[in-house]
Amino acid sequence: QQPVQSPQAVILREGEDAVINCSSSKALYSVHWYRQKHGEAPVFLMILLKGGEQKGHDKISASFNEKKQQSSLYLTASQLSYSGTYFCGTGGTSNTGKLIFGQGTTLQVKP
Amino acid sequence: NAGVTQTPKFRILKIGQSMTLQCAQDMNHNYMYWYRQDPGMGLKLIYYSVGAGITDKGEVPNGYNVSRSTTEDFPLRLELAAPSQTSVYFCASSYSRRGRWDNQPQHFGDGTRLSIL
Repeated sequence: QQPVQSPQAVILREGEDAVINCSSSKALYSVHWYRQKHGEAPVFLMILLKGGEQKGHDKISASFNEKKQQSSLYLTASQLSYSGTYFCGTGGTSNTGKLIFGQGTTLQVKP
Repeated sequence: NAGVTQTPKFRILKIGQSMTLQCAQDMNHNYMYWYRQDPGMGLKLIYYSVGAGITDKGEVPNGYNVSRSTTEDFPLRLELAAPSQTSVYFCASSYSRRGRWDNQPQHFGDGTRLSIL
């Protein structure tokens, strides 16, 4: 089942902060975050695993609440280059190989 | 390093035609994936493969077929093109480590933009 992202869109000024949420109705073993700029391929940002392991980006942080089946992506002191659409992908039971993506959150950073 | 290479980049098909979208990776990744992305929407998994000779269905497999005879290549076949298959198709790959497939990032190709008229 597709995870739900919120908000659907957000507009920021440079230097402002943003939080993007990803919720699932099913138990999660992992959450991936990707950013996609218009007309380009998705690019990896962050992986969060059940149990607390985390791999990711220097300037972006994220949390994973296993009990609530939620993840949040924190973008602090946003830059123009942060603009794009952010997708979370959720992994359910560990051996399926399937990553199910949310519908995306569009972030626009203005000067 | 080329990474994940998809060909062609653009294609226009007529209804009922067939075609194969090519995907190749040079990173020795064992997992490969095919997604479709409709305008303004997220990525939907079509098929995936955990290694040569092994494939499985994703969320939206109808109308597509795949094969994986080598580690490097994972072609996607459309047999009878329909307007509903107009989309951008992305191929991705990742490396499974320590028995987990989801603790490594997926690397995406640049996509194939397919229009069916």
